[in-house]
Amino acid sequence: IAGITQAPTSQILAAGRRMTLRCTQDMRHNAMYWYRQDLGLGLRLIHYSNTAGTTGKGEVPDGYSVSRANTDDFPLTLASAVPSQTSVYFCASSSGTVGELFFGEGSRLTVL
Amino acid sequence: GQNIDQPTEMTATEGAIVQINCTYQTSGFNGLFWYQQHAGEAPTFLSYNVLDGLEEKGRFSSFLSRSKGYSYLLLKELQMKDSASYLCAVRDGDYKLSFGAGTTVTVRA
Repeated sequence: IAGITQAPTSQILAAGRRMTLRCTQDMRHNAMYWYRQDLGLGLRLIHYSNTAGTTGKGEVPDGYSVSRANTDDFPLTLASAVPSQTSVYFCASSSGTVGELFFGEGSRLTVL
Repeated sequence: GQNIDQPTEMTATEGAIVQINCTYQTSGFNGLFWYQQHAGEAPTFLSYNVLDGLEEKGRFSSFLSRSKGYSYLLLKELQMKDSASYLCAVRDGDYKLSFGAGTTVTVRA
């Protein structure tokens, strides 16, 4: 059972570098999300996509971009990483009547 | 945006009951969720309330009062494996889900 796969699991990155976090789901869910989780702040929504071809901004979108070329993939790109983007990033998807989120295992990113 | 408040930490004894409260202010409301997150792992879905009242699922129950902007998660017959963070989340009028900072529950023998 795959569900949602994120890559890389962990990455250390120099400030100023470009980085793409990959997210793939095999559940054919329409909606996908990117959250970052920081100690004491909880999960904060970065970007979301309600369906392939559409994206929207969440609570903390600055410095991040996303694309949704197809149903399965939802990559998150940091164009020029900064230390404040050090965080754990979770990709999630949802579908159905309740619409609960299914999360990937997370990507731990450290920007030095 | 959303304003979601829940206690930072709670401690309880194995076999006991713990109630985690969550208050929220939201622009539009389309449901309240509770998630469990063990350290170093991804959150997993526990419960969902969209109408007022109590939803029971085994040892876990969740209550919602929309007029008061209030929910609680009740954990009964606590087990050591219930030590985790519990996240309250509210879905707004645009169907986006916002999370509280989470409540860390420690179960002691």
